[in-house]
Amino acid sequence: DTAVSQTPKYLVTQMGNDKSIKCEQNLGHDTMYWYKQDSKKFLKIMFSYNNKELIINETVPNRFSPKSPDKAHLNLHINSLELGDSAVYFCASSLRTGGHTEAFFGQGTRLTVV
Amino acid sequence: AQKVTQAQTEISVVEKEDVTLDCVYETRDTTYYLFWYKQPPSGELVFLIRRNSFDEQNEISGRYSWNFQKSTSSFNFTITASQVVDSAVYFCALSEAIQGAQKLVFGQGTRLTINP
Repeated sequence: DTAVSQTPKYLVTQMGNDKSIKCEQNLGHDTMYWYKQDSKKFLKIMFSYNNKELIINETVPNRFSPKSPDKAHLNLHINSLELGDSAVYFCASSLRTGGHTEAFFGQGTRLTVV
Repeated sequence: AQKVTQAQTEISVVEKEDVTLDCVYETRDTTYYLFWYKQPPSGELVFLIRRNSFDEQNEISGRYSWNFQKSTSSFNFTITASQVVDSAVYFCALSEAIQGAQKLVFGQGTRLTINP
């Protein structure tokens, strides 16, 4: 059973389109995250939700909108895609116990904007 | 602000050699947590270890060992008798707790290549 699963794994789309990436975790965690890994492999947090409440929003353009229908799901919707949005997006989850438990990551979604 | 520096961008060694990956961190917190993650060529991020700031004991897990030294703000990772399967990008990270969520601040990563 996959603990944190993201779909799709690969996404190729044209500039200007709107796309969504879905994430689900079956670990019973109440905190979920989106991280972005750029072409140089640098990983940076984008958002964090704790039991459907937005906790962390790291100066991400408002074209990016996370949505958490319940604590097991955190989807990422991106409007008006730009070339610079090409990256690998990782979903993750962790337990809310003092905030320092290990985060479990999904396999990543490679987004290519052409 | 939290910061993690992995000065070694790439390391290449021959199989069975020992290799150490360096990690230096900056934080104003007195309580903090450090992590190492592995990213193999398949792309997923695999958790390796978590260490809190109160525990300076070295950790050993099979061929992997970690040396945490608060005096030098370092949390180095050593692979003994390296194997080709150890080839991956390794990330060191520092955790900042924000209202129950944790913000992982990652280093730039070290790409380790083990040659047969």
